[in-house]
Amino acid sequence: TQLLEQSPQFLSIQEGENLTVYCNSSSVFSSLQWYRQEPGEGPVLLVTVVTGGEVKKLKRLTFQFGDARKDSSLHITAAQPGDTGLYLCAGTSAGNTPLVFGKGTRLSVIA
Amino acid sequence: GAVVSQHPSRVICKSGTSVKIECRSLDFQATTMFWYRQFPKQSLMLMATSNEGSKATYEQGVEKDKFLINHASLTLSTLTVTSAHPEDSSFYICSARWGRDQPQHFGDGTRLSIL
Repeated sequence: TQLLEQSPQFLSIQEGENLTVYCNSSSVFSSLQWYRQEPGEGPVLLVTVVTGGEVKKLKRLTFQFGDARKDSSLHITAAQPGDTGLYLCAGTSAGNTPLVFGKGTRLSVIA
Repeated sequence: GAVVSQHPSRVICKSGTSVKIECRSLDFQATTMFWYRQFPKQSLMLMATSNEGSKATYEQGVEKDKFLINHASLTLSTLTVTSAHPEDSSFYICSARWGRDQPQHFGDGTRLSIL
């Protein structure tokens, strides 16, 4: 069974600070996705990374896929209260397999 | 972008009632749909995978007779929680994708409360 270890589980920071969330596994993933979930809603896809070493940017968010495709990170620059939410990494091996989710990082950005 | 609609968003009913939740892909044909369950402050737990026209594949520990899944068309899957009890209260979320190696898109979830 593929497992994704996500850390930290909880993070509370001041507005303007930077932060990094990590997602690690001993398994290789063909693709890895990052989602953000608001309370009472479903997860919303932020990005998909598929190539080892790939870096993608989405405004103040930077996503990186490890060279060996076993780990990923999400870096947020100058966090804002609107970034508050649950961030989930999820990966899939090749083919028709479902996503495996990390346990999530609950981020709180205080104004 | 890809849109998945889930209905109803909230259900409150008495113990013993059966509840049906619908999941529709609005602008694409979903070859595969997934059903997840999420407990408060926890991540998503996969319950089952369904492919259009075939029986769903359930994860270990998920009772197939309790959670009936029907994927009748490429745009609709339903989850029926049969004879629901308070321990079935949870947040149920569906997702869909249009092909292998494609990202999964999620519905907004259904909060089920059994009294």
